[in-house]
Amino acid sequence: EAQVTQNPRYLITVTGKKLTVTCSQNMNHEYMSWYRQDPGLGLRQIYYSMNVEVTDKGDVPEGYKVSRKEKRNFPLILESPSPNQTSLYFCASSLVYGRGTEAFFGQGTRLTVV
Amino acid sequence: AQKITQTQPGMFVQEKEAVTLDCTYDTSDPSYGLFWYKQPSSGEMIFLIYQGSYDQQNATEGRYSLNFQKARKSANLVISASQLGDSAMYFCAMSADDNFGNEKLTFGTGTRLTIIP
Repeated sequence: EAQVTQNPRYLITVTGKKLTVTCSQNMNHEYMSWYRQDPGLGLRQIYYSMNVEVTDKGDVPEGYKVSRKEKRNFPLILESPSPNQTSLYFCASSLVYGRGTEAFFGQGTRLTVV
Repeated sequence: AQKITQTQPGMFVQEKEAVTLDCTYDTSDPSYGLFWYKQPSSGEMIFLIYQGSYDQQNATEGRYSLNFQKARKSANLVISASQLGDSAMYFCAMSADDNFGNEKLTFGTGTRLTIIP
């Protein structure tokens, strides 16, 4: 089954404790990205990657890191989480970037930083 | 800069009625794509429909249709014969190049649709 898998689904952590949210896709997609969803703000892009070893900042990259060492994986790293990073996070992938290619989303990760 | 605007934070609609969710967009890229996604209470993002900027016909997918008015820069989602299962958050999104030539998928703030039995 074609899918994007994120883990964990739910995470509660303390300020400053490094964490990684994993994302993996099995569709051989080139383009992957991370979004955060906050009430009243919709989804905002954090980072994206057009291919292996190619990553770039989205609209809200501060406080986040990513890497793309393999095509299928695109982990999101919070080196020192803060309460303002409490949010719902989505990983997405698409075949290439093309106007007609829909983005496939993971199930979401609900992160709470206390 | 690219922008998607959804002006209806919430809507209540009687079951079996048609509903229109508004979306306007702004981009300087002549080639762009417009998407609608549904997010039920369980949280996942479900792709509904796509419209390309050069498509002549309005997109349709089952009970979903996209009312694309290019001159007005609007891409409203129409759901015919609404069902209780249509209750969800709906996001309009646009894929277009930003000022640096990088393609971006930009989302609106969403509309929460509630279908009343």
